[in-house]
Amino acid sequence: EVQLVESGGGLVKSGGSLRLSCVASAFSFTNAWVNWVRQPPGKRLEWVGRIKSVTDGVPTDYAAPVRGRFTLSRDDSKNTVYLQMDSLRTEDTAVYFCTTFSGTYDDAFDIWGQGTKVTVSS
Amino acid sequence: QSVLTQPPSVSGAPGQRVTISCTGSSSNIGGGYDVHWYQQLPGTAPRLLIYVNNFRPSGVPDRFSGSKSGTSASLAITGLQAEDEADYYCQSYDSSLSVWVFGGGTRLTVL
Repeated sequence: EVQLVESGGGLVKSGGSLRLSCVASAFSFTNAWVNWVRQPPGKRLEWVGRIKSVTDGVPTDYAAPVRGRFTLSRDDSKNTVYLQMDSLRTEDTAVYFCTTFSGTYDDAFDIWGQGTKVTVSS
Repeated sequence: QSVLTQPPSVSGAPGQRVTISCTGSSSNIGGGYDVHWYQQLPGTAPRLLIYVNNFRPSGVPDRFSGSKSGTSASLAITGLQAEDEADYYCQSYDSSLSVWVFGGGTRLTVL
């Protein structure tokens, strides 16, 4: 079964760091552009950032609220994308989903992980 | 304040038809960027419901349909069922922000 599995969430104090992982299975991860989307408690989905494939030069893009604090990287040998989150703020509290598109449905996000919860305390 | 505006809630009785609007601007929907729709059941990850404005992925019932015109898009659900009760989000790309953007989400209640 094609799936993404996130891990690494937890409770951290404001100013601290966490590293989230997104592991892919049962599909060709090498060419995948992986996005992170977060959802604060009771609120809407918010795109966080994206890392392209190695063949596309692995450029990364970030949403303004996290730019300069969050860093995406990937290890294709482990089918894993990492989201390094530094200088965390209380407003970063959310469930973080990794997601990608298989290409079957254009660039719509058709593959999602189950999410990992991040709580930043003051 | 979301870049894409959706009504916070809609409701309908079983069997009825409801629509959910998604209003953007010239830098996203109106700029020719496609709209995708997602369904999110409580405590779960979003699920792709409609892609590229009006196409259904495999496995999505034809009770769900999408449309796009100008700076807006709509999701229509006919023959409402209790299992349709969920949050629905539209998504598009915004060229002025250079990011994917989601609507604020609409909670569908089946009465």
